[in-house]
Amino acid sequence: DVKVTQSSRYLVKRTGEKVFLECVQDMDHENMFWYRQDPGLGLRLIYFSYDVKMKEKGDIPEGYSVSREKKERFSLILESASTNQTSMYLCASSSPTSSSYNEQFFGPGTRLTVL
Amino acid sequence: AQSVTQPDIHITVSEGASLELRCNYSYGATPYLFWYVQSPGQGLQLLLKYFSGDTLVQGIKGFEAEFKRSQSSFNLRKPSVHWSDAAEYFCAVEAGGSYIPTFGRGTSLIVHP
Repeated sequence: DVKVTQSSRYLVKRTGEKVFLECVQDMDHENMFWYRQDPGLGLRLIYFSYDVKMKEKGDIPEGYSVSREKKERFSLILESASTNQTSMYLCASSSPTSSSYNEQFFGPGTRLTVL
Repeated sequence: AQSVTQPDIHITVSEGASLELRCNYSYGATPYLFWYVQSPGQGLQLLLKYFSGDTLVQGIKGFEAEFKRSQSSFNLRKPSVHWSDAAEYFCAVEAGGSYIPTFGRGTSLIVHP
């Protein structure tokens, strides 16, 4: 059973803290994505990566950075958390070369609250 | 750049009734189109996708969608809704080969018993 896992389901942090959200996939997918989901706004792409050590900005990269040191792991970093980063964060992976061409497989999400 | 509109924020149906969720896209060429479902507290799961060929696409859980190029639409349908179908539904469009979908804002489906 293919799987995308995220390190935490719920996270509460203080303003100014550095926050790490981890995502791991076991499907050997090339592409990995970080989205934030807010009510009424749908999913907005923060960053994506199409290979190890490669990253591209999405639509809302400000205040975030990412790291992909291994193919299976994609980390989202909030350098200095702010209250407007309170949101649901979803990780996804996909592969252009597999039979599930470009179907995105999602993790369960991390609900982050910044106080 | 591509875009997606889901005109309905909320849809309420009775269990056993038919369902149609609307999706309109904007893209110059033939897009890749997807419908995903998000059950409460879960990530998204693919229901169906369209790349080319037959414009009526069958998916999981009894869902189907029809691609209509003339209307730039990809509406999701189900003939008889079950209470377990209550969820958030997202339409997505991808410019072929970009590997990056653009998601609509979602439609929340409420099912009355």
